[in-house]
Amino acid sequence: NAGVTQTPKFRVLKTGQSMTLLCAQDMNHEYMYWYRQDPGMGLRLIHYSVGEGTTAKGEVPDGYNVSRLKKQNFLLGLESAAPSQTSVYFCASRMRGLITEAFFGQGTRLTVV
Amino acid sequence: KQEVTQIPAALSVPEGENLVLNCSFTDSAIYNLQWFRQDPGKGLTSLLLIQSSQREQTSGRLNASLDKSSGRSTLYIAASQPGDSATYLCAVRLYSGAGSYQLTFGKGTKLSVIP
Repeated sequence: NAGVTQTPKFRVLKTGQSMTLLCAQDMNHEYMYWYRQDPGMGLRLIHYSVGEGTTAKGEVPDGYNVSRLKKQNFLLGLESAAPSQTSVYFCASRMRGLITEAFFGQGTRLTVV
Repeated sequence: KQEVTQIPAALSVPEGENLVLNCSFTDSAIYNLQWFRQDPGKGLTSLLLIQSSQREQTSGRLNASLDKSSGRSTLYIAASQPGDSATYLCAVRLYSGAGSYQLTFGKGTKLSVIP
């Protein structure tokens, strides 16, 4: 059981380049999330999805777009990368409901130069 | 806005000691609280999930308590081992509007257990 898998694990981008981070979960979870983790800031929610075909903004959505075309996948896109988007990105998923546990991927370390 | 604070930011203890990590939150209207462990360069591993109606949860050497009215949770680690060295994160789930219930994280406590 793979759980939550993020691709790629590391990436270096030049300012202005675009890329897509992929999150895949095999637990049939309805809810999926993208967070970023920065030193001294903790984890902050970028975007989330409560089901296939639906997405919503989190705390820090600017500069990112997301798509949830399939239930098991949640994509995070950077259209024009900026150095401020250098961070570690984490995907998470959980079952529908208030009391369910969140499971996290291993993270993607992104550096924008 | 919910704020989650973890004190101390870093803690170093000798192997074998019992220790307590603290988490406080400003909005007591939470649905649950989750403790995570994060190893350097790795993702988050869920340790314990406490529902708002519960007072504590136990898993092996770990015990987490919740006092919702005072906005506090503690993670107790018994007989600490060097393998417990990691950053421990606390997160609370509450209603964030538009039918959404989100996790708000603390910044973590970095624990070092010295052999």
